Amino acid sequence: AQSVAQPEDQVNVAEGNPLTVKCTYSVSGNPYLFWYVQYPNRGLQFLLKYITGDNLVKGSYGFEAEFNKSQTSFHLKKPSALVSDSALYFCAVRTDGGATNKLIFGTGTLLAVQP
Amino acid sequence: DSGVTQTPKHLITATGQRVTLRCSPRSGDLSVYWYQQSLDQGLQFLIQYYNGEERAKGNILERFSAQQFPDLHSELNLSSLELGDSALYFCASSTTGTMNTEAFFGQGTRLTVV
Repeated sequence: AQSVAQPEDQVNVAEGNPLTVKCTYSVSGNPYLFWYVQYPNRGLQFLLKYITGDNLVKGSYGFEAEFNKSQTSFHLKKPSALVSDSALYFCAVRTDGGATNKLIFGTGTLLAVQP
Repeated sequence: DSGVTQTPKHLITATGQRVTLRCSPRSGDLSVYWYQQSLDQGLQFLIQYYNGEERAKGNILERFSAQQFPDLHSELNLSSLELGDSALYFCASSTTGTMNTEAFFGQGTRLTVV
């Protein structure tokens, strides 16, 4: 079965500092990994994805994520956090190792950026 | 704006009742997904349709059903509602529903069962 873990319920960071939101996954086949962001009372917005190729992928709003196959991780990063980055972040995974290609989400990590 | 439209935005209904949530996918998208978001369960995958046919099923209760129509809009039917069904229900769509395509989410329907 496929699953995604986001070990931190909340991440606190000061504005201007680098941020990392962690994600690990478990799949039986090749992983297809996604990051989404949710602002209050809004739907989820797609940030970036890893399909194949370069392990470092760049996405919207200056975010990037690093795929690490040996550690089965896909951590979200940003070099310099903004207060406006404060939101709920979700990691999601699909795999070609099962009968279906369900898009499964982690439990979410609340990012709080202090001014 | 993602291009995915969900109606209604808010719905308040009594236990035992039945409601229908509607989703219009982005223009050209063939695949529709339904998710339930609650505080205790997080974001749960319910069901996926592709071009009118069921593609994948998740933790969807037997009291819930969905369909995708020829014009590609989708409806999620929730019946015999219980207090625990109160949640935010999201619809998402993607071009093909294959592994490498991201899904775009609507703003959700907030269901409150009283």
